[in-house]
Amino acid sequence: GQQLNQSPQSMFIQEGEDVSMNCTSSSIFNTWLWYKQDPGEGPVLLIALYKAGELTSNGRLTAQFGITRKDSFLNISASIPSDVGIYFCAGHDNYGQNFVFGPGTRLSVLP
Amino acid sequence: GAGVSQTPSNKVTEKGKYVELRCDPISGHTALYWYRQSLGQGPEFLIYFQGTGAADDSGLPNDRFFAVRPEGSVSTLKIQRTERGDSAVYLCASSLRGRGYPFFGQGTRLTVV
Repeated sequence: GQQLNQSPQSMFIQEGEDVSMNCTSSSIFNTWLWYKQDPGEGPVLLIALYKAGELTSNGRLTAQFGITRKDSFLNISASIPSDVGIYFCAGHDNYGQNFVFGPGTRLSVLP
Repeated sequence: GAGVSQTPSNKVTEKGKYVELRCDPISGHTALYWYRQSLGQGPEFLIYFQGTGAADDSGLPNDRFFAVRPEGSVSTLKIQRTERGDSAVYLCASSLRGRGYPFFGQGTRLTVV
């Protein structure tokens, strides 16, 4: 079945630094989603991507749909303490009815 | 309500018991998803409804798990003969159409003792 890998698994950064994380798939996707999850909460959508090569921003967040359609990355600029959490990518192909989630990247921001 | 609502927020049950978890999707959302999330892992797909019918139930781990959505709105996930390995957070999500992005509820934390 479809599998997603996310890297890095976890990262510790200083407040104000930029962050980059990525997600790779074993198969081609036609939709990529990026979510953030805080402890005790459900995942919250950050960015949705629908076209290969698409680059989309949401405030300090920027995400891109890879041209191979098998990867996506998320950048966070000028990190702040509230960026702490787990970031999940999720993908959807033409055949599946569901969204497959990656294992997550855990971000810690040091003051 | 404005968001996806899941009840109860926490459920502790004894091994072998039957449990029901409820999901109220966002009004007007036709698609509804159930996911299971174990500690330190990403959400794992269980089942997807489009309207009243289960369009994809390939993620249900075995026949102890069953879900219904009789009127195309509220959904109930039912687990029979619970096992300790069923302990997890069960997340429900809904979307406006089959491929719209899912909005998640806060989840039900199920603990089987």
